[in-house]
Amino acid sequence: QIQLQQWGAGLLGPSETLSLTCAVYGGSLTDYSWNWLRLAPGRGLDWIAEIDHKRRNHYNPSLKTRVSISLDTSKNQFSLNLYPVTAADTAVYYCARGRHGSEFAYFDYWGQGVLVTVSS
Amino acid sequence: DIQMTQSPSTLSASVGDRVTITCRASQSIGTWLAWYQQKPGKAPDLLIYQASRLETGVPSRFSGSGSETEFTLTISSLQPDDFATYYCQQYNNYIYTFGQGTKVETK
Repeated sequence: QIQLQQWGAGLLGPSETLSLTCAVYGGSLTDYSWNWLRLAPGRGLDWIAEIDHKRRNHYNPSLKTRVSISLDTSKNQFSLNLYPVTAADTAVYYCARGRHGSEFAYFDYWGQGVLVTVSS
Repeated sequence: DIQMTQSPSTLSASVGDRVTITCRASQSIGTWLAWYQQKPGKAPDLLIYQASRLETGVPSRFSGSGSETEFTLTISSLQPDDFATYYCQQYNNYIYTFGQGTKVETK
């Protein structure tokens, strides 16, 4: 059974760096993509970034200049960095596995979510 | 970006009711659509992919239909565990986008 477990700092000041990591248990990083999404107060779900086992990545253009996604196959983990953060980045951040029925993905396993609050 | 619009935003229903949620895409996405259920404090759960394919382990009272720009999620007989928020997601291209959510609450 696949499990995703994520962690990272929950309280940040403006202009700091958001860093989150997601560990994948019970499965390989191959054959799927690995994604970050967020759910902000009063907004729906937003997809942030995707990476596959060959380290090909895609980003939401609205965040592309501030975000990077990386993969550590030796640890079966992937990570997200977002810099600099503002109050608008306050959200619950999720990692998720992307399953590809075509070139593109839907999300079949999710991490538990981490609430990140940006406040001075 | 492909905009996904769900209706209604909130739906009041009773146990045993048949419930239908609609999701419309701003352009054709074929059948590249997924539905998720989310409960407070939990991550979303995948219910349906490719518009009508039921994810393993999801009860058969959930069904999906539609293609191109109009899609529906139907719960044939609402159960107590089904009170939650539901999201649609298109995966026809990057950027993956979601509807704003439909909250199913107790009437």
